[in-house]
Amino acid sequence: EAEVAQSPRYKITEKSQAVAFWCDPISGHATLYWYRQILGQGPELLVQFQDESVVDDSQLPKDRFSAERLKGVDSTLKIQPAELGDSAMYLCASSLYPSGGLGTQYFGPGTRLLVL
Amino acid sequence: AQKVTQAQTEISVVEKEDVTLDCVYETRDTTYYLFWYKQPPSGELVFLIRRNSFDEQNEISGRYSWNFQKSTSSFNFTITASQVVDSAVYFCALGADFASGSRLTFGEGTQLTVNP
Repeated sequence: EAEVAQSPRYKITEKSQAVAFWCDPISGHATLYWYRQILGQGPELLVQFQDESVVDDSQLPKDRFSAERLKGVDSTLKIQPAELGDSAMYLCASSLYPSGGLGTQYFGPGTRLLVL
Repeated sequence: AQKVTQAQTEISVVEKEDVTLDCVYETRDTTYYLFWYKQPPSGELVFLIRRNSFDEQNEISGRYSWNFQKSTSSFNFTITASQVVDSAVYFCALGADFASGSRLTFGEGTQLTVNP
Protein backbone atom coordinates (compact mmCIF):
# COMPACT_ATOMS: atom_id res chain seq x y z
CA GLU A 1 0.00 0.00 0.00
CA ALA A 2 1.36 3.41 -1.00
CA GLU A 3 2.38 5.66 1.87
CA VAL A 4 3.62 9.16 2.51
CA ALA A 5 7.28 9.06 3.54
CA GLN A 6 8.91 11.55 5.90
CA SER A 7 12.39 11.94 7.30
CA PRO A 8 13.86 12.23 9.78
CA ARG A 9 11.42 10.74 12.25
CA TYR A 10 13.03 12.57 15.16
CA LYS A 11 15.17 15.69 15.31
CA ILE A 12 16.78 17.39 18.28
CA THR A 13 18.40 20.75 17.69
CA GLU A 14 19.49 23.80 19.58
CA LYS A 15 17.74 27.11 19.20
CA SER A 16 19.07 29.36 16.44
CA GLN A 17 20.13 26.32 14.39
CA ALA A 18 18.63 25.45 11.01
CA VAL A 19 16.55 22.31 10.52
CA ALA A 20 15.00 20.70 7.46
CA PHE A 21 12.33 18.07 7.00
CA TRP A 22 11.66 16.00 3.90
CA CYS A 23 8.42 14.54 2.56
CA ASP A 24 7.71 12.20 -0.35
CA PRO A 25 3.98 12.02 -1.12
CA ILE A 26 2.05 9.08 -2.47
CA SER A 27 2.92 8.62 -6.13
CA GLY A 28 0.61 10.60 -8.38
CA HIS A 29 -0.71 12.87 -5.66
CA ALA A 30 -0.62 16.42 -6.95
CA THR A 31 -1.47 18.14 -3.68
CA LEU A 32 0.91 18.20 -0.74
CA TYR A 33 0.37 19.68 2.72
CA TRP A 34 2.61 20.49 5.68
CA TYR A 35 0.96 20.63 9.11
CA ARG A 36 2.32 21.46 12.56
CA GLN A 37 0.91 19.67 15.59
CA ILE A 38 1.71 20.99 19.03
CA LEU A 39 1.45 18.43 21.80
CA GLY A 40 -2.15 18.01 22.94
CA GLN A 41 -3.62 19.88 19.98
CA GLY A 42 -4.89 19.10 16.51
CA PRO A 43 -2.73 19.66 13.43
CA GLU A 44 -2.69 23.12 11.85
CA LEU A 45 -1.94 23.75 8.20
CA LEU A 46 1.33 25.54 7.43
CA VAL A 47 1.45 25.32 3.64
CA GLN A 48 -0.29 23.64 0.72
CA PHE A 49 1.22 22.89 -2.69
CA GLN A 50 -0.50 22.10 -5.93
CA ASP A 51 2.23 20.46 -8.02
CA GLU A 52 5.18 22.83 -7.56
CA SER A 53 3.10 25.92 -6.76
CA VAL A 54 2.16 27.23 -3.32
CA VAL A 55 -1.63 27.41 -3.01
CA ASP A 56 -1.93 28.49 0.62
CA ASP A 57 0.86 29.63 2.93
CA SER A 58 -1.15 32.11 4.96
CA GLN A 59 -0.32 30.32 8.24
CA LEU A 60 3.39 29.85 7.51
CA PRO A 61 5.68 32.07 9.65
CA LYS A 62 7.64 33.30 6.69
CA ASP A 63 10.29 35.09 8.69
CA ARG A 64 11.78 31.74 9.68
CA PHE A 65 9.94 29.01 7.78
CA SER A 66 10.27 28.14 4.11
CA ALA A 67 8.91 25.33 1.99
CA GLU A 68 9.58 24.18 -1.52
CA ARG A 69 8.47 21.48 -3.92
CA LEU A 70 10.74 22.16 -6.85
CA LYS A 71 9.75 19.35 -9.22
CA GLY A 72 6.23 18.92 -7.95
CA VAL A 73 7.00 15.64 -6.23
CA ASP A 74 8.88 15.62 -2.91
CA SER A 75 9.03 18.62 -0.63
CA THR A 76 11.28 20.19 1.98
CA LEU A 77 10.24 22.32 4.96
CA LYS A 78 12.97 24.42 6.57
CA ILE A 79 13.16 26.38 9.79
CA GLN A 80 15.95 28.93 10.25
CA PRO A 81 16.59 29.84 12.98
CA ALA A 82 14.72 27.37 15.16
CA GLU A 83 13.08 28.67 18.33
CA LEU A 84 11.97 26.85 21.46
CA GLY A 85 8.31 27.28 20.46
CA ASP A 86 8.91 25.32 17.26
CA SER A 87 9.04 22.07 19.20
CA ALA A 88 6.19 20.05 17.72
CA MET A 89 5.28 17.24 15.34
CA TYR A 90 5.52 18.20 11.67
CA LEU A 91 3.18 16.19 9.51
CA CYS A 92 3.12 15.89 5.75
CA ALA A 93 0.00 14.82 3.88
CA SER A 94 -0.92 14.32 0.24
CA SER A 95 -4.12 14.00 -1.73
CA LEU A 96 -4.96 12.93 -5.25
CA TYR A 97 -7.27 15.77 -6.14
CA PRO A 98 -6.16 19.33 -6.79
CA SER A 99 -7.34 22.20 -4.68
CA GLY A 100 -10.42 22.69 -6.84
CA GLY A 101 -11.95 19.52 -5.42
CA LEU A 102 -11.23 18.17 -1.99
CA GLY A 103 -9.72 14.75 -1.76
CA THR A 104 -8.90 12.67 1.23
CA GLN A 105 -5.59 13.64 2.79
CA TYR A 106 -3.23 10.79 3.69
CA PHE A 107 -0.61 11.51 6.30
CA GLY A 108 2.97 10.45 6.80
CA PRO A 109 4.48 9.32 10.12
CA GLY A 110 5.62 12.83 10.98
CA THR A 111 8.85 14.36 12.26
CA ARG A 112 9.07 15.07 15.98
CA LEU A 113 11.17 18.19 16.53
CA LEU A 114 12.62 19.15 19.89
CA VAL A 115 14.37 22.51 20.16
CA LEU A 116 16.64 22.92 23.18
CA ALA B 1 -14.60 30.79 9.95
CA GLN B 2 -14.60 27.07 10.45
CA LYS B 3 -14.45 25.39 13.83
CA VAL B 4 -14.49 21.84 15.16
CA THR B 5 -15.22 21.07 18.80
CA GLN B 6 -14.45 17.76 20.46
CA ALA B 7 -15.68 18.35 23.98
CA GLN B 8 -14.36 15.08 25.37
CA THR B 9 -10.66 15.48 26.07
CA GLU B 10 -10.19 11.99 27.49
CA ILE B 11 -12.34 8.88 27.67
CA SER B 12 -11.48 5.69 29.50
CA VAL B 13 -13.45 2.48 29.04
CA VAL B 14 -13.08 -1.19 29.76
CA GLU B 15 -12.63 -3.58 26.86
CA LYS B 16 -15.85 -4.65 25.14
CA GLU B 17 -17.70 -1.51 26.17
CA ASP B 18 -19.25 0.68 23.48
CA VAL B 19 -17.94 4.25 23.30
CA THR B 20 -19.09 7.33 21.39
CA LEU B 21 -16.80 10.21 20.48
CA ASP B 22 -18.57 13.52 19.92
CA CYS B 23 -17.81 16.07 17.21
CA VAL B 24 -19.59 19.37 16.63
CA TYR B 25 -18.65 21.65 13.76
CA GLU B 26 -19.30 25.19 12.58
CA THR B 27 -19.16 26.38 8.99
CA ARG B 28 -20.91 28.81 6.67
CA ASP B 29 -20.18 26.73 3.61
CA THR B 30 -23.03 24.79 2.04
CA THR B 31 -20.65 22.18 0.69
CA TYR B 32 -18.14 20.75 3.11
CA TYR B 33 -16.53 17.50 4.16
CA LEU B 34 -16.12 15.80 7.50
CA PHE B 35 -13.40 13.35 8.48
CA TRP B 36 -12.29 11.17 11.35
CA TYR B 37 -8.63 10.30 11.83
CA LYS B 38 -6.97 8.02 14.38
CA GLN B 39 -3.54 8.88 15.82
CA PRO B 40 -1.87 6.01 17.68
CA PRO B 41 1.18 6.65 19.88
CA SER B 42 3.43 6.23 16.84
CA GLY B 43 2.13 9.60 15.64
CA GLU B 44 0.80 8.86 12.17
CA LEU B 45 -2.70 10.10 11.39
CA VAL B 46 -4.75 7.22 10.00
CA PHE B 47 -7.75 8.06 7.83
CA LEU B 48 -10.99 6.44 9.00
CA ILE B 49 -13.86 8.05 7.11
CA ARG B 50 -14.89 10.94 4.90
CA ARG B 51 -18.44 12.25 4.63
CA ASN B 52 -19.82 14.89 2.24
CA SER B 53 -22.26 17.50 3.54
CA PHE B 54 -24.97 16.43 1.13
CA ASP B 55 -24.85 12.80 2.24
CA GLU B 56 -26.38 12.33 5.68
CA GLN B 57 -26.58 8.58 5.45
CA ASN B 58 -24.99 6.96 8.45
CA GLU B 59 -22.21 4.47 7.87
CA ILE B 60 -21.05 1.30 9.54
CA SER B 61 -17.69 -0.35 9.01
CA GLY B 62 -17.13 -3.36 11.20
CA ARG B 63 -17.10 -2.17 14.81
CA TYR B 64 -17.07 1.48 13.72
CA SER B 65 -20.15 3.57 12.96
CA TRP B 66 -20.71 7.23 12.26
CA ASN B 67 -23.80 9.37 12.85
CA PHE B 68 -23.97 12.55 10.75
CA GLN B 69 -26.72 15.04 11.64
CA LYS B 70 -26.72 18.37 9.81
CA SER B 71 -29.55 19.68 11.99
CA THR B 72 -27.28 19.63 15.03
CA SER B 73 -23.97 20.05 13.13
CA SER B 74 -22.65 16.86 14.61
CA PHE B 75 -20.63 13.94 13.28
CA ASN B 76 -20.28 11.42 16.08
CA PHE B 77 -18.18 8.27 16.02
CA THR B 78 -19.10 5.06 17.86
CA ILE B 79 -16.85 2.09 18.50
CA THR B 80 -18.77 -1.05 19.41
CA ALA B 81 -17.16 -3.69 21.61
CA SER B 82 -13.99 -1.65 22.10
CA GLN B 83 -10.58 -3.32 22.09
CA VAL B 84 -7.25 -2.36 23.60
CA VAL B 85 -5.92 -1.68 20.09
CA ASP B 86 -8.50 1.10 19.75
CA SER B 87 -6.54 3.17 22.28
CA ALA B 88 -5.42 6.31 20.47
CA VAL B 89 -6.22 9.97 19.95
CA TYR B 90 -9.12 10.49 17.57
CA PHE B 91 -9.51 13.69 15.57
CA CYS B 92 -12.55 15.03 13.83
CA ALA B 93 -11.80 17.39 10.95
CA LEU B 94 -13.76 19.74 8.69
CA GLY B 95 -12.75 20.59 5.15
CA ALA B 96 -14.01 22.89 2.46
CA ASP B 97 -12.80 24.19 -0.86
CA PHE B 98 -11.56 27.72 -0.86
CA ALA B 99 -10.25 29.66 -3.77
CA SER B 100 -6.91 29.63 -1.99
CA GLY B 101 -6.83 25.95 -1.13
CA SER B 102 -8.55 23.05 0.59
CA ARG B 103 -7.50 23.28 4.22
CA LEU B 104 -8.63 20.90 6.95
CA THR B 105 -9.63 22.30 10.33
CA PHE B 106 -9.06 19.78 13.11
CA GLY B 107 -10.61 19.51 16.54
CA GLU B 108 -8.44 19.22 19.63
CA GLY B 109 -8.79 15.44 19.68
CA THR B 110 -10.17 12.88 22.13
CA GLN B 111 -7.75 10.55 23.90
CA LEU B 112 -9.42 7.14 24.12
CA THR B 113 -7.97 4.57 26.51
CA VAL B 114 -9.37 1.05 26.42
CA ASN B 115 -8.36 -0.95 29.47
CA PRO B 116 -8.21 -4.75 29.45
